[in-house]
Amino acid sequence: QVQLQESGPGLAKPSETLSLTCTVSGDSISNRIYYWGWIRQPPGDGLEWIGSVHYTGTPYYNPPVQGLVTISVDTSKNQFSLRLKSVVAADTAVYYCARAAGGNFGWYFDYWGQGILVNVSS
Amino acid sequence: DIQMTQSPSTLSASVGDRVTITCRASQSIGRQLAWYQQKPGRAPKILIYEASALESGVPSRFSGTGSETEFTLTIDNLQPDDSATYHCQQYRSNKSFGQGTKVEI
Repeated sequence: QVQLQESGPGLAKPSETLSLTCTVSGDSISNRIYYWGWIRQPPGDGLEWIGSVHYTGTPYYNPPVQGLVTISVDTSKNQFSLRLKSVVAADTAVYYCARAAGGNFGWYFDYWGQGILVNVSS
Repeated sequence: DIQMTQSPSTLSASVGDRVTITCRASQSIGRQLAWYQQKPGRAPKILIYEASALESGVPSRFSGTGSETEFTLTIDNLQPDDSATYHCQQYRSNKSFGQGTKVEI
């Protein structure tokens, strides 16, 4: 059974860097056929893909957040991480980590973490 | 960027009904579309990928059709457990989601 679990602070101040970690169990993050991604959902709003990463370290990001976001992998801990810099109130959202399956770049998300609510507020 | 537009935003139906949700892409995405179900306070759950391929374990009353720019998710014999918000997602170019359709029973 594949499981993902997000961890990190639930509160960030404007202009700070938000750091979240996703711990994977039941699968190896070094499984070459999968990508690992982050998706967020502002309260009462739709889903927004942030970016995805392969265990080889190759990330790709949603253009609107490119330059602000870094997604990295730690194969020794079976984890991957999100860093979002210069956060603003509009970054307040539930952040999900997920496994991306299909194709060459992980097309759709077949396993998800439970999500972590991050509030950006002074 | 590829924009995904779902309709309706909300629909109300009864147990046993057939319901259809539409998802339109701003440009052709072939069949590179997935559908998810999300219940309040929970993570989304994959239902369908490649426009019509049913994920393992998903009831056969869920089905998907379409290609290029227009897609539909159909739920036959609607059940109380199907009360949720449904999202479409394209993966032809990067990834983007529709705004969601809330199904009330």
